[in-house]
Amino acid sequence: GESVGLHLPTLSVQEGDNSIINCAYSNSASDYFIWYKQESGKGPQFIIDIRSNMDKRQGQRVTVLLNKTVKHLSLQIAATQPGDSAVYFCAENGNAGGTSYGKLTFGQGTILTVHP
Amino acid sequence: GAVVSQHPSRVICKSGTSVKIECRSLDFQATTMFWYRQFPKKSLMLMATSNEGSKATYEQGVEKDKFLINHASLTLSTLTVTSAHPEDSSFYICSAGLAGGPPIFGPGTRLTVL
Repeated sequence: GESVGLHLPTLSVQEGDNSIINCAYSNSASDYFIWYKQESGKGPQFIIDIRSNMDKRQGQRVTVLLNKTVKHLSLQIAATQPGDSAVYFCAENGNAGGTSYGKLTFGQGTILTVHP
Repeated sequence: GAVVSQHPSRVICKSGTSVKIECRSLDFQATTMFWYRQFPKKSLMLMATSNEGSKATYEQGVEKDKFLINHASLTLSTLTVTSAHPEDSSFYICSAGLAGGPPIFGPGTRLTVL
């Protein structure tokens, strides 16, 4: 389910199910998007990225979809495992380009909980 | 692969003291590094861009005299929280990256100001 305001959106799934995490971004000029996974007390870990000239990119068990028309990004995780439980953030670079690919604006994050 | 480290991983200090946090790129050089702050159950907020050999660029609302950034070499950026107060307690995370690639984040530093 989702919640607004002070609480992060949450998604609870059973082990083996597919998970879809959504993100709306604000800057239509952004040309680079990244999904990160953050476990408690740790720094963000890169999952997958996509550039604005693409609408889909696949990795191992993960797929990112980009819809520039509605400024929407999603992360699909296939066969979700308990080890996938974490907070997931989307991030955009605001068309900073060049050496400033690192200047990111993060989404609010989604808590994914995978039940065995 | 490229790794970013931070030191210390956690620090507790008294109000009014200054704390220095180091961010290092291992096995690669980073002319630009980035500092973020994250409060509990919140997202990461960019504080500043650390530029090797020149002044840091701060985001709106971030006090440059409070959060001193020094990027003296191609593998090290430091963030000093001066005259820390309890409201500065947070998780501080740095990032760096190879040109054109995804930024790599450090493990973070948990600062607690008593």
